[in-house]
Amino acid sequence: SQKIEQNSEALNIQEGKTATLTCNYTNYSPAYLQWYRQDPGRGPVFLLLIRENEKEKRKERLKVTFDTTLKQSLFHITASQPADSATYLCALYPYNAGNMLTFGGGTRLMVKP
Amino acid sequence: NAGVMQNPRHLVRRRGQEARLRCSPMKGHSHVYWYRQLPEEGLKFMVYLQKENIIDESGMPKERFSAEFPKEGPSILRIQQVVRGDSAAYFCASSPRALSLGSQTDTQYFGPGTRLTVL
Repeated sequence: SQKIEQNSEALNIQEGKTATLTCNYTNYSPAYLQWYRQDPGRGPVFLLLIRENEKEKRKERLKVTFDTTLKQSLFHITASQPADSATYLCALYPYNAGNMLTFGGGTRLMVKP
Repeated sequence: NAGVMQNPRHLVRRRGQEARLRCSPMKGHSHVYWYRQLPEEGLKFMVYLQKENIIDESGMPKERFSAEFPKEGPSILRIQQVVRGDSAAYFCASSPRALSLGSQTDTQYFGPGTRLTVL
């Protein structure tokens, strides 16, 4: 069956460290993968998109990698800050999806000062 | 430039009542998507609409749920005869064009959501 898995346990890290979040998928052929940030009581906010033929994308303190062999994307936040505390969602757009983005369950990140 | 607007933000209904959720997409966006998010779960796609057309409703329950996006006015997600299991956050997103394999900027812009509670 098709699955997108993110670690459901919260990730707690110290301010200034690098946070690494994982998104694994099974039985999908994604054309691209996106990462979103969601704060409590709010809608998701788009952060980064990475295509299947791209290994890495960066935006300021954010870095995303995409390994289609491992069927995994990693999302890194360097020099993390308490303001980075939120839930991070990965979403993929498969080749045969029609018009549908499919989301993982999200991982909650807590950055402690 | 206002973002995606949803109202109401919170909606309480008793079992058997109807719930109407509204979504006004960003200016210039003609593609609207509805998602449902249960507590501690990810977003589940429900339906994708363009103006006056339902393009993909594969994620929407066959009974009690309907959606529309008229030529004028907001998109409406309607849930008839609500049950407790309908309690969730419902998010609307919009995009300026359909998701595709070709664009480097394919993304959806989400509204703040409507939190539906069924008593």
